[in-house]
Formats: sequence, structure tokens, C-alpha cells
Amino acid sequence: KNEVEQSPQNLTAQEGEFITINCSYSVGISALHWLQQHPGGGIVSLFMLSSGKKKHGRLIATINIQEKHSSLHITASHPRDSAVYICAVNGNQFYFGTGTSLTVIP
Amino acid sequence: SQTIHQWPATLVQPVGSPLSLECTVEGTSNPNLYWYRQAAGRGLQLLFYSVGIGQISSEVPQNLSASRPQDRQFILSSKKLLLSDSGFYLCAWTGVSRDTQYFGPGTRLTVL
Repeated sequence: KNEVEQSPQNLTAQEGEFITINCSYSVGISALHWLQQHPGGGIVSLFMLSSGKKKHGRLIATINIQEKHSSLHITASHPRDSAVYICAVNGNQFYFGTGTSLTVIP
Repeated sequence: SQTIHQWPATLVQPVGSPLSLECTVEGTSNPNLYWYRQAAGRGLQLLFYSVGIGQISSEVPQNLSASRPQDRQFILSSKKLLLSDSGFYLCAWTGVSRDTQYFGPGTRLTVL
């Protein structure tokens, strides 16, 4: 069993739709990260969370420490949001989910 | 500001050939350094991490090795590549607090 599980694995949405990606983890953590991997492979950090909620533009990330669960929401999705979104946690090392491949269709 | 470099960006190598991938970090000192591999359709797998010069920890037994000859240089090597070594290799660094990882642009390795 992976320490970090994401769902869904693949997601296709129409432009403008509200999108949710979920992440559950099984280890004790000090922080949770949402990463975005572009088609070329480069990875950028979107959020680092240890509690509550963070918002950046159309992206919102929430975490529930008690339930060991986090969600990444994208409002008014756009084709440029198409990417792989990866959940990662700081435990005694970094653990990564396998990613959610998002395609937003115009 | 800090930056992280990796090269080459892409590499095609025959089975049995050697490998050397290099990662350097600028703008910080004494970083924790990491090598990850992402196989096609799979998540990131931690291969090696280093907390200092000459200090290497291996997470997965394999035919790869890593070295850290300088504070901000991390090298991934192999004496003989296998087909299963194909993948996307990412170098990353964190500060001492290990709160956020910063990733390099990656090297796409194809072993034929």
C-alpha cells in the first residue's frame, strides 16, 4: 500500500468546470504539498499546507489533519491547467502520490 | 535566489553503457539533495538523498549510485545501464528545515 493515495488517476473536464483532486495519506506528516508537473516534465510547487486552507488565484487547497486527507480545487478550469497534479507529504521522508492527470478541453 | 540545474535534458543510451547525470544548486549552502526517478505512468521514486558532502543514503537497491563531491553538486551514475533504467530523473533540494522541495528541470533517459 502506498503511503499517499490520490484520486482520480485521470480527469477530463470542460473548460470552466470546477475540479477537485483528492489525496489521502497514512503516515504522520509535518506538511503536505501539492505539485504541478507540466507536460515537459518540470515540477513546480503549488502549495505547502500544514492545516486549514490556502488559496492562490483559481487554486484552493485544503487539509484535514485528523482525517489525513487533502483536496486541491480548481475553479473555472482552463486548458492551461492541463497537467499532472501530485500530492506529496513530509513524513520521515518525502512520500509522493502517483499523480492525477488533468485534461481541460476548450 | 536559489536555482537548481540538471543536465543533460535528454539522453538516449544503449544497454550496458555508463551513465552520469549531474545536478547543481546555486544560491544556498549545505542543501539536502535528492535523486528521484519517475517511470512512465508511475509516481516519483526516491533513489538517493544526501545531507552533506560524501554522505549518501540509498532507498532502493539497484545498479545506480550517487556521489556528492561538492556541497552543491550531486551526481547520479551507473556503470552499466539496464532497459529498466529508462525514465525521468529529477534532482531536488531542500533547506535544513526540509519544509519544501525544489525540483530541477529533469533528465529524460531512454535506454535502448
